[in-house]
Amino acid sequence: EAGVTQFPSHSVIEKGQTVTLRCDPISGHDNLYWYRRVMGKEIKFLLHFVKESKQDESGMPNNRFLAERTGGTYSTLKVQPAELEDSGVYFCASSPRGNIQYFGAGTRLSVL
Amino acid sequence: TQLLEQSPQFLSIQEGENLTVYCNSSSVFSSLQWYRQEPGEGPVLLVTVVTGGEVKKLKRLTFQFGDARKDSSLHITAAQPGDTGLYLCAAPRGGYQKVTFGTGTKLQVIP
Repeated sequence: EAGVTQFPSHSVIEKGQTVTLRCDPISGHDNLYWYRRVMGKEIKFLLHFVKESKQDESGMPNNRFLAERTGGTYSTLKVQPAELEDSGVYFCASSPRGNIQYFGAGTRLSVL
Repeated sequence: TQLLEQSPQFLSIQEGENLTVYCNSSSVFSSLQWYRQEPGEGPVLLVTVVTGGEVKKLKRLTFQFGDARKDSSLHITAAQPGDTGLYLCAAPRGGYQKVTFGTGTKLQVIP
């Protein structure tokens, strides 16, 4: 069974550009989460989908971040326009019921 | 303010040594989890402890939840190079709707 996959693994963009990160959860997992770790800090929650609905987006830093999960399958996280402080590793996780979350390998975003 | 403080931040030991990693908070949790993350990978759940004073063992790893459910420890016996990684304590919040992670302990086991 395939795990959580994230694409791309690494993205380097310039300040002001747009970047879209993608997450494919484990098949059948209704719960999908986005987290990120910025340099020197702990991993922090961004938001939680249940199927296609946003259950909790309290961790989204500002309106430059937009997450979608059309059809309740894969999810995208768009940053527009990217700022220097958005650099970090973005993790996606999925779960069938929420008690055990399976994490992807992450996307390392570098904003120059 | 960090919700979950881990100590030490970094630990470099020789193969065969024992070690303990601590996770402390001023808050009370219904459960705590421990994850291990290897370079280039995401965190992988090792264990969940749910009862104050609970002890769980996973081969050479022993996890303990504090009696007051505010802290936890991870003890590794006879560390192996394969134990190298970043160890994270974490607290599921809101009925497992999100996880709050600790500051992390980076462990290096030297052969």
